[in-house]
Amino acid sequence: RKEVEQDPGPFNVPEGATVAFNCTYSNSASQSFFWYRQDCRKEPKLLMSVYSSGNEDGRFTAQLNRASQYISLLIRDSKLSDSATYLCVVNGLVMDTGRRALTFGSGTRLQVQP
Amino acid sequence: NAGVTQTPKFQVLKTGQSMTLQCAQDMNHNSMYWYRQDPGMGLRLIYYSASEGTTDKGEVPNGYNVSRLNKREFSLRLESAAPSQTSVYFCASSEEGGSTEAFFGQGTRLTVV
Repeated sequence: RKEVEQDPGPFNVPEGATVAFNCTYSNSASQSFFWYRQDCRKEPKLLMSVYSSGNEDGRFTAQLNRASQYISLLIRDSKLSDSATYLCVVNGLVMDTGRRALTFGSGTRLQVQP
Repeated sequence: NAGVTQTPKFQVLKTGQSMTLQCAQDMNHNSMYWYRQDPGMGLRLIYYSASEGTTDKGEVPNGYNVSRLNKREFSLRLESAAPSQTSVYFCASSEEGGSTEAFFGQGTRLTVV
């Protein structure tokens, strides 16, 4: 089982729509959670960190459910410029070392259409 | 601000050739990472370094070696390139253990023919 799992999509939505992505993680000891955005053939960049109490940044809302081990990202009023791949990221354990490193989901592709 | 500098940006190798991907960061981060990304897949961890002098295998280490030369630099070496290593490689750095945001280099697009 992958440490971090996401629905690959693609999600095709019209401009102005609200879209939600979910992500599940397997390691209950994970401590930090993030959503990254990756544009085609570019490096990933931080979209937002995810806090236990939930957090919002403009049109973007992130939620963390530790009991169910899932993270969500809600995008309201989608723009054409939101078209990208969204990566769920967790600081999980590196194989058998006991040390932590950032583990990425496979990403969910979003295409916002005019 | 330089952030994470990764070289080269593009490389074509013949099967069996060797090469080293270079990565340097100027943010005084302890943790550095090498990932590979294949079409339709997320980033898979190749090797990780929690601090200078420490390196650990990630999910897909076979065929690669790394060196954490100092706190700034973390290189990835392919000793004998194979077509299966055709991929986009990203170097990243973060505060210890990935507790905060990771910063990425621009990636190396490697083709092995």
